[in-house]
Amino acid sequence: NAGVMQNPRHLVRRRGQEARLRCSPMKGHSHVYWYRQLPEEGLKFMVYLQKENIIDESGMPKERFSAEFPKEGPSILRIQQVVRGDSAAYFCASSPPRGNGDIQYFGAGTRLSVL
Amino acid sequence: AQSVTQLGSHVSVSEGALVLLRCNYSSSVPPYLFWYVQYPNQGLQLLLKYTSAATLVKGINGFEAEFKKSETSFHLTKPSAHMSDAAEYFCAVSESGGGADGLTFGKGTHLIIQP
Repeated sequence: NAGVMQNPRHLVRRRGQEARLRCSPMKGHSHVYWYRQLPEEGLKFMVYLQKENIIDESGMPKERFSAEFPKEGPSILRIQQVVRGDSAAYFCASSPPRGNGDIQYFGAGTRLSVL
Repeated sequence: AQSVTQLGSHVSVSEGALVLLRCNYSSSVPPYLFWYVQYPNQGLQLLLKYTSAATLVKGINGFEAEFKKSETSFHLTKPSAHMSDAAEYFCAVSESGGGADGLTFGKGTHLIIQP
C-alpha cells in the first residue's frame, strides 16, 4: 500500500509565477490536509478537504492560495503570483473516511523555492 | 483555541543516555496528543498517540510518553538514545482525534545524539 505521494519534491518558481503542488492520498483515504512548514518552525495547518469539499480552510491565506480535491485525481494546492515569503515546505497528509480518532499520514513534502 | 509549547529547540544527549523531550499543551476540550518524528528532507512519521485509553503511551522505536492532565504535559522519553534517533520531533494536539480537523503543532525539538 503506497503512502501519501507528493510531487514534485522540489519546485522552483520566480516571483509572480504560479505554483501547483499535488498530493495523492493513501489508498482508501478520503480526507486530505495541507500544512506549511517555514524554516525553524513547526507545521501550520492550512486546509482540510474531503472529496469535492473544503471542510476547513481557516489556515489558508486569504489571497493567492487555493486548494481542491476533485472526485478523480490528486488534491492540488495552488499558489498564484508567488512571492519570496511563500518559500517553504508544504506537506500533505491523509486519513481514512471514519474521521474522529484517526491518524494523519504524511507525505514527504514539496519544497518550494521562490527566486 | 489549542496550542502546543515545546521547551528547547535543541536537545543534545550522549548515546545511551536518557532522552526527554518536553511538550505542554492547552486545549478547551480533552485533547488527543501526538508525537511525530521528521528525518531530514522527509515527511513526518507518527511515533505515538494519546487517546485517553491510558496515560502512558508506548510508541515505536522504544519511545513512550506520559499524559499528565494536572501539568498539561505530554513529555516524550526514551531510556537509551541511539544515533539513529537524531531527528526533529514535533508534538501536536487535536480536539477531534486527528481525523476530522487540522493538527496544531509545536515548533519542534531538534534532537542531537553525541557519540
